[in-house]
Amino acid sequence: AQSVTQLDSQVPVFEEAPVELRCNYSSSVSVYLFWYVQYPNQGLQLLLKYLSGSTLVKGINGFEAEFNKSQTSFHLRKPSVHISDTAEYFCAVSPISGGSNYKLTFGKGTLLTVNP
Amino acid sequence: EPEVTQTPSHQVTQMGQEVILRCVPISNHLYFYWYRQILGQKVEFLVSFYNNEISEKSEIFDDQFSVERPDGSNFTLKIRSTKLEDSAMYFCASRGQGQGGYTFGSGTRLTVV
Repeated sequence: AQSVTQLDSQVPVFEEAPVELRCNYSSSVSVYLFWYVQYPNQGLQLLLKYLSGSTLVKGINGFEAEFNKSQTSFHLRKPSVHISDTAEYFCAVSPISGGSNYKLTFGKGTLLTVNP
Repeated sequence: EPEVTQTPSHQVTQMGQEVILRCVPISNHLYFYWYRQILGQKVEFLVSFYNNEISEKSEIFDDQFSVERPDGSNFTLKIRSTKLEDSAMYFCASRGQGQGGYTFGSGTRLTVV
């Protein structure tokens, strides 16, 4: 079984400041890692994913995340945020050996609020 | 860009009533999922569907829930007798081969009163 912990439920920042949203996971098997974003009244949009290879992953909208296997972390970063980045961010994992399922396990989400 | 379409966007129903939530997955995808998000809580897996049958379901997905792909394009979630605690946002998702990431719909907010 897998579990995902997002340590911060809310992160307020000022526009153009850097931000880091933290994600730690626990799993008895190897996993793929994902970050999804949910804008108000919208669905879940994939920001980026780590499947294999380089541990630094770049996604859409200037976001990036680094997979750290020893610390079982996958923190999301952006060097300079915009007002439009205000949204809920979800970290998720799925087992690599998922057969046909690749079921996602989500964290509780981090609400990023960017203030002017 | 292909989308997963969910209807309705919001449904209000009385406790004990049956509801059907509808989804049109991406046309060449083979794997289909329902997830739900109770307000303020994490997104939870409900069920996965492949080759016209359930491939995995969570303990949440009890006998009150069923899924169907009635016509090769729609994918539905039925709740037979709704309870107050079924109030949540329900997300449909579909996936092609491999783990390239899901495509989620924009969700149906179900309110049971």
